[in-house]
Amino acid sequence: DIQMTQSPSSVSASVGDRVTITCRASQGISSWLAWYQQKPGKAPKLLIYAASSLQSGVPSRFSGSGSGTDFTLTISSLQPEDFATYYCQQANSFPPLFGGGTKVEIK
Amino acid sequence: EVQLVQSGAEVKKPGESLKISCKGSGYSFTSYWIGWVRQMPGKGLEWMGIIYPGDSDTRYSPSFQGQVTISADKSISTAYLQWSSLKASDTAMYYCARRQTGDVFDYWGQGTLVTVSS
Repeated sequence: DIQMTQSPSSVSASVGDRVTITCRASQGISSWLAWYQQKPGKAPKLLIYAASSLQSGVPSRFSGSGSGTDFTLTISSLQPEDFATYYCQQANSFPPLFGGGTKVEIK
Repeated sequence: EVQLVQSGAEVKKPGESLKISCKGSGYSFTSYWIGWVRQMPGKGLEWMGIIYPGDSDTRYSPSFQGQVTISADKSISTAYLQWSSLKASDTAMYYCARRQTGDVFDYWGQGTLVTVSS
């Protein structure tokens, strides 16, 4: 199985901050990576697929980059509604496992 | 509008059986894989398995193979996740989700909380 490691596990930030979350795959996955946002008590929501493609309806302050083994999710200007947990998921090989999550907290 | 609506919360005893459901609407149910994802209390997301309702082709993560059964009834646009003998460690929120291209889930159900306790 391809293991996905996210860092940091949590980050404290203020409204308006630029936030970057990293996801590393245990082996190359080309651009087969997705990012999800999950708020407490809610189902996950797809933000980014194919490493950098923005899902319809997702604000443009979210962006993804990377290929191979190293990927980043960037929130350019953190908004109050962005405080949540973010997960990456590899979609290159079976099973398509998720990373452990990164919690974005209010500073 | 694409919707996945899951059955309600369940409280069961160890050893009991359970089948939870996920009803799709607003799209061609038989044309998209449906997956199941487990989230244990305070933990991350775990990919369990997927089914293609068109022909019931099913794939399981090795971690869940033999522990659960995924099925679907295309006549009523519903997918299922079932256990034959629940354990306390099955206590979790279970989500169904529609798979778009590339093993990515684009629409999710609201989740079904399963509590297993004696």
